[in-house]
Amino acid sequence: QSALTQPASVSGSPGQSITISCTGTSGDVGGYNYVSWYQQHSGKAPKLLIYEVTNRPPGVSNRFTGSKSGNAASLTISGLQAEDEANYYCSSYTSRSTLIFGGGTRLTV
Amino acid sequence: EVELVQSGVEVKKPGESLKISCKASGYSFTSYWIGWVRQVPGKGLEWMGIILPADFETKYSPSFQGQVTISVDKSINTAYLEWNNLKASDTAIYYCARHRDRVTSVRGVVTTYYYGLDVWGQGSTVTVSS
Repeated sequence: QSALTQPASVSGSPGQSITISCTGTSGDVGGYNYVSWYQQHSGKAPKLLIYEVTNRPPGVSNRFTGSKSGNAASLTISGLQAEDEANYYCSSYTSRSTLIFGGGTRLTV
Repeated sequence: EVELVQSGVEVKKPGESLKISCKASGYSFTSYWIGWVRQVPGKGLEWMGIILPADFETKYSPSFQGQVTISVDKSINTAYLEWNNLKASDTAIYYCARHRDRVTSVRGVVTTYYYGLDVWGQGSTVTVSS
């Protein structure tokens, strides 16, 4: 299984909005509404930001929004803050009854 | 408080065996899938596999099938990840994580979808070197 495709890096200025894409296939992203997004700060464990494409767990800022169209999902971060600088990963359920992650995107603010 | 606490740093030689642990607290251990994620230093996350403590059902990523064993001890709310023949390429940080799931039934066919990893352990660092 190949990892889902994410851009290696994105950048933005404080207050701006950015979008990170996550491209898969009909056997993962396109076939199921079980896409999740994670934030990982350096040296820390990942944190769940979005699940089931658009849902935020309690305590996650509404500046983080998820969406999906076809075989691609996206994470949009609005009102960028310095603390948003981190690595971001998407994941999806797959037709093999497994999960697969994206390669990760480094966000620089 | 819902928490996963993992065993610590391990330094092993190639060919040795290893079993690392992940102790859960603050929730019903048997009600959630729990799995393992590998992160090679400087690289991304890789999903390894998952187990449902209630009935010991397991599912492995094809990349890790046959390379590791995932197990649980329900009596002490602990999940394990085990190797029998470590390689230098197993050097990584290993995270355990609780998985959300959703069960659907379509025309009598029951399917379990596991997805969001909502609680993570702090990570166990494994170094394999001669």
